[in-house]
Amino acid sequence: GAVVSQHPSWVICKSGTSVKIECRSLDFQATTMFWYRQFPKQSLMLMATSNEGSKATYEQGVEKDKFLINHASLTLSTLTVTSAHPEDSSFYICSARTSGNIYNEQFFGPGTRLTVL
Amino acid sequence: AQTVTQSQPEMSVQEAETVTLSCTYDTSESDYYLFWYKQPPSRQMILVIRQEAYKQQNATENRFSVNFQKAAKSFSLKISDSQLGDAAMYFCAYRSRTQGAQKLVFGQGTRLTINP
Repeated sequence: GAVVSQHPSWVICKSGTSVKIECRSLDFQATTMFWYRQFPKQSLMLMATSNEGSKATYEQGVEKDKFLINHASLTLSTLTVTSAHPEDSSFYICSARTSGNIYNEQFFGPGTRLTVL
Repeated sequence: AQTVTQSQPEMSVQEAETVTLSCTYDTSESDYYLFWYKQPPSRQMILVIRQEAYKQQNATENRFSVNFQKAAKSFSLKISDSQLGDAAMYFCAYRSRTQGAQKLVFGQGTRLTINP
């Protein structure tokens, strides 16, 4: 199956700093990428959807200026958490989809655990 | 907007036994996909099974099968011959085939424990 990687797998940062998380589709071209946030023992909450070369579409309640998403190529999307605070600590998961298969399958990365001190 | 409801926060089953996880959804659409995803302790989301709404036949993947009741908007997952490796969070998800970005809508999840 298709592989999606995320880097880093975990990161600890100080309050007020910015953190960038990378999401890469390793063996397919991702026309659409999704970013999710997951709190402990809860479901995945969609933060935004991005199409290559276009601005991301954010879900209601998600701060665009706090969570910057860039989908610069068909294999790379980045999520930057700007001026991170402890309440931004969470598990962030990306997912990538290609239009090249019949089901428009969505493949998930392994996630990034962010801890803001 | 579509919603997905999993009413069982936790389930447990004896190894080698069968367990059924429940899922209901709400939609006004007729063309859509339903999925069950598994999230083990590693947190990696794994697709377990997929059902296309226009297909009446229930999907099966080895020990995993679904009971898809379109009129009742019900989509349960049956795991036969449960194994220790089946222990995980299971999420039911809906995706439109026609509308917009075709985002996945997830249920709240069911934590499945396998007792040896």
